[in-house]
Amino acid sequence: AQSVTQLGSHVSVSEGALVLLRCNYSSSVPPYLFWYVQYPNQGLQLLLKYTSAATLVKGINGFEAEFKKSETSFHLTKPSAHMSDAAEYFCAVSYQGGKLIFGQGTELSVKP
Amino acid sequence: ETGVTQSPTHLIKTRGQQVTLRCSSQSGHNTVSWYQQALGQGPQFIFQYYREEENGRGNFPPRFSGLQFPNYSSELNVNALELDDSALYLCASSLELAGGYNEQFFGPGTRLTVL
Repeated sequence: AQSVTQLGSHVSVSEGALVLLRCNYSSSVPPYLFWYVQYPNQGLQLLLKYTSAATLVKGINGFEAEFKKSETSFHLTKPSAHMSDAAEYFCAVSYQGGKLIFGQGTELSVKP
Repeated sequence: ETGVTQSPTHLIKTRGQQVTLRCSSQSGHNTVSWYQQALGQGPQFIFQYYREEENGRGNFPPRFSGLQFPNYSSELNVNALELDDSALYLCASSLELAGGYNEQFFGPGTRLTVL
């Protein structure tokens, strides 16, 4: 069965530091890949998506992710963390535009 | 353009009761998916509706059922509520197109508490 693994349920960085949130998927078929952000008591907002075009994907709020087929990874990065980035981040995969399969989530904390 | 809306925002029920959650799709979308997000977990796919027919179902028992209406709005019904049904229920709408992926746009969710 397809699955998504997010390494680290909680990541803490200092303001201005690099943000790196890890995501690996299990599939021999490259899926569509997504990163979503969820602020407290809110729904999910799409940060960025990979749909078999460029392997380096740029999203909103300065985030980007790189699809690496050989590593089955889709890690999310941001060069400089801001206090407003503190939230829960979810990596998700979809096959042929169907249901989304989510990882367990990574809570990002940003220290002043 | 109106986004995905869900009602109610919060709901408290007791074990054994039945509940109906509602979702209005984003304008122009014909597909609705429902997800359950337990506390501290990622969302889990419940089912999807396309043109009023169920179009895929996750690992949820039959007491979870749904409807999609001609205007593409949708309902999620849960019978015989259990304590473990307490969760945030998310609705997502998309425009189903042949081939490719269909981006899902999420509503704010309904927080269900079962006592």
